[in-house]
Amino acid sequence: DVVLTQTPVAQPVTLGDQASISCRSSQSLVHSNGNTYLEWYLQKPGQSPQLLIYKVSNRFSGVPDRFIGSGSGSDFTLKISRVEPEDLGVYYCFQATHDPNTFGAGTKLELK
Amino acid sequence: QVQLKESGPGLVQPSETLSLTCTVSGFSLTSYSVSWVRQPSGKGPEWMGRMWYDGDTAYNSALKSRLSISRDTSKNQVFLKMNSLQTDDTGTYYCTRDVLLQWDYYVMDAWGQGASVTVSS
Repeated sequence: DVVLTQTPVAQPVTLGDQASISCRSSQSLVHSNGNTYLEWYLQKPGQSPQLLIYKVSNRFSGVPDRFIGSGSGSDFTLKISRVEPEDLGVYYCFQATHDPNTFGAGTKLELK
Repeated sequence: QVQLKESGPGLVQPSETLSLTCTVSGFSLTSYSVSWVRQPSGKGPEWMGRMWYDGDTAYNSALKSRLSISRDTSKNQVFLKMNSLQTDDTGTYYCTRDVLLQWDYYVMDAWGQGASVTVSS
């Protein structure tokens, strides 16, 4: 199975600052059709996960433009510019290229 | 308004079978697929399997021998059954709506609140 390694495990931030989360895959996430199916989810405290980014860099409906996904191959990054209180929680990357689809272990975005 | 709600027993004995129900509203099971995702406490989620809109199923290969997903479209319900439960099956079980974004590419755009399951004697 594809292993997604997220770093850091926890990211302390000050509101208004930028945060960056890394997701590295044990193999390339480029599908045979040329697409890269890497997604990012946010799980706020006490809530279910919600989709933020799909196909590396596309923001899902209603997601603010301060969320920026980037990367290629097996190395991906989620940047959150100007962190707001509602951005706090655990971020998971998820790959839908290979079967079975797998999640990373998560990065907790927390206040300093 | 799209809603999904998981229900089932909170406590299951080791070696027994888990049965969960996902009741949906706001969309049709013949137009959208539904996945099951579980999350051990304090850990990352695990995709378990999917009921496709056309009635076909897909399973995580690691769980396939123990897992069965079915549905009753007349009741807007999707069912999960997993046998031979062990303590490491403890966690929160979610059902999700899967929406087609592009050809053959689905994302989980709505999640239920989750059902907590503890495997213990």
